[in-house]
Amino acid sequence: DAKTTQPNSMESNEEEPVHLPCNHSTISGTDYIHWYRQLPSQGPEYVIHGLTSNVNNRMASLAIAEDRKSSTLILHRATLRDAAVYYCILPLRGGSEKLVFGKGTKLTVNP
Amino acid sequence: EPEVTQTPSHQVTQMGQEVILRCVPISNHLYFYWYRQILGQKVEFLVSFYNNEISEKSEIFDDQFSVERPDGSNFTLKIRSTKLEDSAMYFCASRSGLAGGRNEQFFGPGTRLTVL
Repeated sequence: DAKTTQPNSMESNEEEPVHLPCNHSTISGTDYIHWYRQLPSQGPEYVIHGLTSNVNNRMASLAIAEDRKSSTLILHRATLRDAAVYYCILPLRGGSEKLVFGKGTKLTVNP
Repeated sequence: EPEVTQTPSHQVTQMGQEVILRCVPISNHLYFYWYRQILGQKVEFLVSFYNNEISEKSEIFDDQFSVERPDGSNFTLKIRSTKLEDSAMYFCASRSGLAGGRNEQFFGPGTRLTVL
């Protein structure tokens, strides 16, 4: 199964862009890259997913490297509400649907 | 916006007692999941459920655990004889079943289970 590597923590200032990196060098050609986040005392929340092209939605953008061995979640203007743990998740082999959460990146947003 | 709901928000029980955690997944979703998170630790998968049967379960999901969709709307997790180490946040999630590699699971707010 493809493994992901993320920094343990990052810090940003309010209203500035945030780039959260994820390395997944063993990703296979058909693996979608999913990002979830978990705000304090809440359940995980889907953020975005992508395969090859960069993706945008109302919450964030996902930039995927050309070789797909890394991706970056971009929050264009961080707010205090974006302070959370962000998880980059790849699927498991064999059709398993379970999400395997690592430690993720804890994002602190300073006012 | 539709959301997954869970009750109760906090459940306190004595060791050895049975507890039932309840979830109402998003209407029209087909896949259902339970995860748990012990305080300060990672979110861990417990079980997935589709078409009225368990499709996958983790090593944590032993004979003390069971799941049920009794009436087409609720999805329950039962722990038969709780242990101290079962104390955790339990999250229910559901997924619509859309194809195309999308595995967007919608999580509920969780039930905090405290076993004394």
